[in-house]
Amino acid sequence: EAGVAQSPRYKIIEKRQSVAFWCNPISGHATLYWYQQILGQGPKLLIQFQNNGVVDDSQLPKDRFSAERLKGVDSTLKIQPAKLEDSAVYLCASSLGGNWGELFFGEGSRLTVL
Amino acid sequence: AQSVTQLGSHVSVSEGALVLLRCNYSSSVPPYLFWYVQYPNQGLQLLLKYTSAATLVKGINGFEAEFKKSETSFHLTKPSAHMSDAAEYFCAVTPSGSARQLTFGSGTQLTVLP
Repeated sequence: EAGVAQSPRYKIIEKRQSVAFWCNPISGHATLYWYQQILGQGPKLLIQFQNNGVVDDSQLPKDRFSAERLKGVDSTLKIQPAKLEDSAVYLCASSLGGNWGELFFGEGSRLTVL
Repeated sequence: AQSVTQLGSHVSVSEGALVLLRCNYSSSVPPYLFWYVQYPNQGLQLLLKYTSAATLVKGINGFEAEFKKSETSFHLTKPSAHMSDAAEYFCAVTPSGSARQLTFGSGTQLTVLP
């Protein structure tokens, strides 16, 4: 069974530039999550989708971050314009929807903002 | 609101020695608790979970954790460390089983010395 796919693995940009990350969840997983993991910290939920609808985006900085999951499968997370403090690993995870914390994570996309 | 405290951001043990990673939580309702492991340059992987059944939970790779309500703890142990256990370990809590409210600790980096 293929795992959660993310790209790119690494991205270096300058502040005020834009960046986009892509995630393809495990086939059949209705729920998709984007987490931000800053160095030395645990992952923090940015947004959760159930199929193509947003369940929770309360911690998403909506002035610069946006995410979509148009067809209920893959998803894109965009940052525009980027700030230095956005340097982090962006983790995508998916689950069948039964929760219990059983999330399946991708390898992450490491963003460095200079 | 719930929270997780992982005591010790770095733990070193010798190969073959006992592994003990500490996790304390706070939750206003009975919690569900999880341990995730993150190997270098990989996503998080579920090690084990407590969902209000048996207080002693066994996970993968010989790890286990015991839920102690009186101490609000969920420490992770393994009787004998292996070099392959070197990784970062995250404790997480959710008050309701909902991944939307899953809160991660800041992580403990485990080093296994030969």
